[in-house]
Amino acid sequence: GQQVMQIPQYQHVQEGEDFTTYCNSSTTLSNIQWYKQRPGGHPVFLIQLVKSGEVKKQKRLTFQFGEAKKNSSLHITATQTTDVGTYFCAGERGGATNKLIFGTGTLLAVQP
Amino acid sequence: DVKVTQSSRYLVKRTGEKVFLECVQDMDHENMFWYRQDPGLGLRLIYFSYDVKMKEKGDIPEGYSVSREKKERFSLILESASTNQTSMYLCASRRQGGWNTEAFFGQGTRLTVV
Repeated sequence: GQQVMQIPQYQHVQEGEDFTTYCNSSTTLSNIQWYKQRPGGHPVFLIQLVKSGEVKKQKRLTFQFGEAKKNSSLHITATQTTDVGTYFCAGERGGATNKLIFGTGTLLAVQP
Repeated sequence: DVKVTQSSRYLVKRTGEKVFLECVQDMDHENMFWYRQDPGLGLRLIYFSYDVKMKEKGDIPEGYSVSREKKERFSLILESASTNQTSMYLCASRRQGGWNTEAFFGQGTRLTVV
């Protein structure tokens, strides 16, 4: 069954508020990727994290990989209506190189 | 411009029919994937192929098979379609190994089985 879970499943925020989604794996991951899927679209790659404890930023987005390499988070500061969509994490399990397992996703709605 | 193309955007099939979903990529990627997307369940891996004629089962392979006779093409086959296979199907491809090996997705096929 699904071994990469994300919470929350859905989040509704006012424009300007912050947003965080959490990704948790039952097994250690060799790396983790994040994707964004706009309504009606397909997932598009945002970033990859490889090192334990790694933190990366893309403008208002901050990505973190846990020390144990079993969890990750995506934080958006001051959300905008363009941030609307579903955010997925995706991991590769050690020893299963290139087999990407996606999380359950978090749907973000932003009210202007 | 990289491209993953799925043969149909929308499909309606009858229960018991054999259904073929085709996916073609033009990036010479070794790895190709078939996922299905359902609300609340995210993207679940059906099958994965890491080379021509090579495949691995994903988390939900039951009721599906795949074919990869050429590097650029990965087909998903529903042997006998059932209503619980109504879903959005997404194909993806990815370069083997290295850093920042992002997956590129097709536009998806929304399959309805009636």
